[in-house]
Amino acid sequence: DIQMTQSPSSVSASVGDRVTITCRASQGVGSWLAWFQQKPGRAPKLLISSTSTLQSGVPSRFSGSGSGTDFTLTISSLQPEDFATYYCQQAHSFPRTFGQGTKVEVK
Amino acid sequence: QVQLQESGPGLVKPSETLSLTCTVSGGSVNSDNYYWNWIRQPPGKGLEWIGNIYYSGHRNYNPSLSSRVTLSVDTSKNQFSLRLTSVTAADTAVYYCAREDEQYSSPYYYYYLDVWGKGTTVIVSS
Repeated sequence: DIQMTQSPSSVSASVGDRVTITCRASQGVGSWLAWFQQKPGRAPKLLISSTSTLQSGVPSRFSGSGSGTDFTLTISSLQPEDFATYYCQQAHSFPRTFGQGTKVEVK
Repeated sequence: QVQLQESGPGLVKPSETLSLTCTVSGGSVNSDNYYWNWIRQPPGKGLEWIGNIYYSGHRNYNPSLSSRVTLSVDTSKNQFSLRLTSVTAADTAVYYCAREDEQYSSPYYYYYLDVWGKGTTVIVSS
């Protein structure tokens, strides 16, 4: 299985801050990397697919980059609705695997 | 707009079988380019992929669960289902069904879980 490791596990930030979350794969996953946002009691929501493709309706303050084993999700200017937990997921091979999550909390 | 809805018992006894169904509305399970997935999330923990199935019946399972999991699809009802046998407390989780879209962008196919159900909580307890 490909292990996905996110860092940090949690981050405290304020509205307007730039937030960066990293995701490292235990082996190369090419560009088959997605990012999800999950709020309490809700299903995960796909934000970014194929490393950097923003889904329809997702604000442009979200961006993704990377390739191979190292990936980044950046929120350029944190908004109140962005406080949530974020997961990366590889779709390079089976079984699909997720990172452990990064919780973005209010500072 | 495609929507997914999980259904099934919220309480299952240890050693018994967990059975859930996902009903697809606004679209067809009998479509090319879509795989139908189950994912679970134990309380306070992260996401675990269980497996997926194509309308033809082709399946992929997580090896960690494959001895206990069976996925099936019923195109006549526009549903797909999960069976998990010999459950224990460790199987207590929110279970999500999700659609995985397959898109071709030369020279590769890309996959992403773009539509999710709201999730259903299953507690394993006597």
